[in-house]
Amino acid sequence: QQQVKQSPQSLIVQKGGISIINCAYENTAFDYFPWYQQFPGKGPALLIAIRPDVSEKKEGRFTISFNKSAKQFSLHIMDSQPGDSATYFCAASTNWAGGYNKLIFGAGTRLAVHP
Amino acid sequence: NAGVTQTPKFRILKIGQSMTLQCTQDMNHNYMYWYRQDPGMGLKLIYYSVGAGITDKGEVPNGYNVSRSTTEDFPLRLELAAPSQTSVYFCASSHQGREQYFGPGTRLTVT
Repeated sequence: QQQVKQSPQSLIVQKGGISIINCAYENTAFDYFPWYQQFPGKGPALLIAIRPDVSEKKEGRFTISFNKSAKQFSLHIMDSQPGDSATYFCAASTNWAGGYNKLIFGAGTRLAVHP
Repeated sequence: NAGVTQTPKFRILKIGQSMTLQCTQDMNHNYMYWYRQDPGMGLKLIYYSVGAGITDKGEVPNGYNVSRSTTEDFPLRLELAAPSQTSVYFCASSHQGREQYFGPGTRLTVT
């Protein structure tokens, strides 16, 4: 119940195309869903996040779509660029026992955008 | 602000050796975390802390120890290193446990 399942494992997109990465969860207590972007040799960096009271959040070319009934959320990267080539992690969080927040991460998606 | 800093960047250990991975943050965050990232895998939580003097185990704590004597520092101790501890280690901090800020990582090889 604490898992977050992410797909696909890897994704190749042409420059200008749309990249779509999907995540699914079981624990209905999750109430915060961030996406992290990680470039090779660097630590993950927060890209965009959503709470379950909204169905969509957009920041520039990055959009999170959230389907509460299906317990799924996805990251869409519009007009994908070679500079977007990175590993993307979805995550979910709630207050665990003791009232402390912890993130559960998906396994990651390696995105390659070809020019 | 430097954010979250980690030292060393790389380290090679022999089996059975011990070492401490250092982590410091200058954002006055209460929450701090240690994760390990294995190739092709997500991040697994090793230990976390919600304030000075308070630590707790994550998903994969075996073989590690932590301490939190100050708000800024959260060192991770490896005792009796084993090949299974070969990984990239990330430290992170957070104000309230939601938005986490990660350090650049320490790449550890145990041979």
